Amino acid sequence: EDKVVQSPLSLVVHEGDTVTLNCSYEVTNFRSLLWYKQEKKAPTFLFMLTSSGIEKKSGRLSSILDKKELFSILNITATQTGDSAVYLCAVDPTGGGTSYGKLTFGQGTILTVHP
Amino acid sequence: NAGVTQTPKFQVLKTGQSMTLQCAQDMNHNSMYWYRQDPGMGLRLIYYSASEGTTDKGEVPNGYNVSRLNKREFSLRLESAAPSQTSVYFCASSAWAGTLEAFFGQGTRLTVV
Repeated sequence: EDKVVQSPLSLVVHEGDTVTLNCSYEVTNFRSLLWYKQEKKAPTFLFMLTSSGIEKKSGRLSSILDKKELFSILNITATQTGDSAVYLCAVDPTGGGTSYGKLTFGQGTILTVHP
Repeated sequence: NAGVTQTPKFQVLKTGQSMTLQCAQDMNHNSMYWYRQDPGMGLRLIYYSASEGTTDKGEVPNGYNVSRLNKREFSLRLESAAPSQTSVYFCASSAWAGTLEAFFGQGTRLTVV
């Protein structure tokens, strides 16, 4: 059974701190790993990672994938209160053939950033 | 830019009642999905439609049916609601099967009493 596990489940930090969120996975046919940010409502897309060792970066957020060790990390530097959200990791386990984009999600990490 | 629109936003049902959740996207996407989100469980795929005219079961399809009405619209039906179906439901779409950047609707919070 395909599995995605995120850690920690929750994290409380102060503005300016740097945080690292973890995502490990066990899937049959890995195609890609995605990170989403979910505030009050819909998840919004952050990154998609398909190749090992290549960092994706957007402002203060960055992410990297290790396909050998089957994990990814999401780093947020100089955190702000607006970074408070649930961060979701998802894996597409349908590689090697026709992909239907059926994502398997982790439980999410709840990040709270205090002023 | 509406993106993915879901209706209703909130709903309370009695056990045994039926209802349909509506979803429409205006991005000309081929693939559409229904997920449910429960505390501590992440999002779980209920049904998906890789392209117009096709639907397939996801991880947790029991108690649900779907209809891909046309390219824009993908509805989710609960025939006989149960308390275990209390959840937040998200519709999503992606350009096609090979493109995984899914866009999500704002969610429907459903409570079954």
